[in-house]
Amino acid sequence: GQNIDQPTEMTATEGAIVQINCTYQTSGFNGLFWYQQHAGEAPTFLSYNVLDGLEEKGRFSSFLSRSKGYSYLLLKELQMKDSASYLCAVRYAGKSTFGDGTTLTVKP
Amino acid sequence: GAVVSQHPSWVICKSGTSVKIECRSLDFQATTMFWYRQFPKQSLMLMATSNEGSKATYEQGVEKDKFLINHASLTLSTLTVTSAHPEDSSFYICSARTGVSSYEQYFGPGTRLTVT
Repeated sequence: GQNIDQPTEMTATEGAIVQINCTYQTSGFNGLFWYQQHAGEAPTFLSYNVLDGLEEKGRFSSFLSRSKGYSYLLLKELQMKDSASYLCAVRYAGKSTFGDGTTLTVKP
Repeated sequence: GAVVSQHPSWVICKSGTSVKIECRSLDFQATTMFWYRQFPKQSLMLMATSNEGSKATYEQGVEKDKFLINHASLTLSTLTVTSAHPEDSSFYICSARTGVSSYEQYFGPGTRLTVT
């Protein structure tokens, strides 16, 4: 089976840096996604990691360690609009399994 | 580019009736489409994988006779919820992928179904 764990909620201050962790135990692994989802909307793609290491894309970075079954999403210079749910998803056998998501609240 | 639309965006139906939800890739051909269901404050749960021209592959626990999926063309997949019940009320989201080797999924805006 697939087991993906993320913290349920996190709170951070505008302008700060926040790291959202994701651990996984899956029967197969082809890559790991991070998505952002605002309430009532569909997810939007943030990043995709296949190999170990850090992928940087503007204010957002994603890290993967396949040997540890671990990833994190790093958000810098937080803005109020970053308040959303962040979903970690593992790709295997041509499909993706999603974690329960981390609700991030950015406060002024 | 890579826009996916869903129709309707929201629908209310009576218990026992059937509802059809359309998912279209507007500017690309989608060899594979996925259907997800999301309950409030929960994550996306994959219901089925739909490949153009072949039968959908359903996830364990999803009734294929209740959730009928048709992927008749490279730009259209439909999900029909048959004999809907209040517990089927949920947010249904489709996503599309351009090819087997492609990793990125493009999500539709979702359809909110309420069964009364």
